[in-house]
Amino acid sequence: EPEVTQTPSHQVTQMGQEVILRCVPISNHLYFYWYRQILGQKVEFLVSFYNNEISEKSEIFDDQFSVERPDGSNFTLKIRSTKLEDSAMYFCASRDTGGTYEQYFGPGTRLTVT
Amino acid sequence: GNSVTQMEGPVTLSEEAFLTINCTYTATGYPSLFWYVQYPGEGLQLLLKATKADDKGSNKGFEATYRKETTSFHLEKGSVQVSDSAVYFCALRRGGADGLTFGKGTHLIIQP
Repeated sequence: EPEVTQTPSHQVTQMGQEVILRCVPISNHLYFYWYRQILGQKVEFLVSFYNNEISEKSEIFDDQFSVERPDGSNFTLKIRSTKLEDSAMYFCASRDTGGTYEQYFGPGTRLTVT
Repeated sequence: GNSVTQMEGPVTLSEEAFLTINCTYTATGYPSLFWYVQYPGEGLQLLLKATKADDKGSNKGFEATYRKETTSFHLEKGSVQVSDSAVYFCALRRGGADGLTFGKGTHLIIQP
């Protein structure tokens, strides 16, 4: 069964450094998403991406964040200058163009900012 | 704004017990409602969904009914198994939007 994959599973970085989290969505999907979950809190929507542009973003997704689909298979989330409060689990998701709106999630990348 | 509230966990039950995990929501318009499950070390998987009032979603013995009058989408299962131990997330998708709004998740522990 096709699945969304994410790398790395755990990333440790120092405050102020740039990080790139990588995702490989399901191959025939055209909508891509990033969510995050700070430990003990809700899963929060960050951004959705379709047709090579951001289609929706939350208040969390400020200028420190960017997304890119650099090739036909990867979808990345970049955090330019990490803060301690960026420590969280980051989930990538994708879906097809059908009417079910079912999003398929990856296993997540745990980002720890020290 | 939109929000989802779930009962706090962990919820600990014995095998074959009846399960209810409460979920209520606040949203404008007529959202679609979802339950996702996360097993240890895995991503969130869609368990069931309902797209309009009075719809009942069901899968793997789990059920939830979209109740507009009480703005609720409670998850139920008649007889739980140890393999149902996981974290369960209630979520909504507002009409016209794409991002999901999640609750905090409820950790379910089933003891043999």
